[in-house]
Amino acid sequence: ETGVTQSPTHLIKTRGQQVTLRCSSQSGHNTVSWYQQALGQGPQFIFQYYREEENGRGNFPPRFSGLQFPNYSSELNVNALELDDSALYLCASSPWTSGGAGELFFGEGSRLTVL
Amino acid sequence: GDSVTQMEGPVTLSEEAFLTINCTYTATGYPSLFWYVQYPGEGLQLLLKATKADDKGSNKGFEATYRKETTSFHLEKGSVQVSDSAVYFCALVPYAGAQKLVFGQGTRLTINP
Repeated sequence: ETGVTQSPTHLIKTRGQQVTLRCSSQSGHNTVSWYQQALGQGPQFIFQYYREEENGRGNFPPRFSGLQFPNYSSELNVNALELDDSALYLCASSPWTSGGAGELFFGEGSRLTVL
Repeated sequence: GDSVTQMEGPVTLSEEAFLTINCTYTATGYPSLFWYVQYPGEGLQLLLKATKADDKGSNKGFEATYRKETTSFHLEKGSVQVSDSAVYFCALVPYAGAQKLVFGQGTRLTINP
């Protein structure tokens, strides 16, 4: 059984640029969530995707957007990068049960540095 | 709003010591409660959960009891090992069907041999 995989593991961007992060969900999981974890903080919910549609969003601006594909993999896109976007971005998958929020399987994350 | 507050770290203990990591929560609904653990170089993993008042979650020797009267979900282990060194996160799902986990800030635990 393959776990959640994310790419790239590390990347450096400059302010104003755009970034795309990718996630392959665990086999059999149809729900994908994205979280932002700033250094020394707990993860914060960005959004969740189910059946290729956004199914819940946290307090993040529209320049954070996502996609889910028919094979349940997902992308997180961030436009107009700001310095405060520097963080570890975590992808998590789960089967759809009662909203699929609590019992998540996380990837190791993509560490984004914005200069 | 919904929030989770954990005891501040870092916490350093000797092997075989008793561990408590405090967690309290604020929720507008009736939440489910979780502890997640992040070992060095690994992704977050679910450690244990409890979905209703007085439920006790347990796994790998760790326990936590859902206390509605004190809005708490403290993590305990009777005898810690070096391999328990990690960052521990308390979290909640605000209500059944909610799409998000709300995390505390994490507590870094180091166990010395």
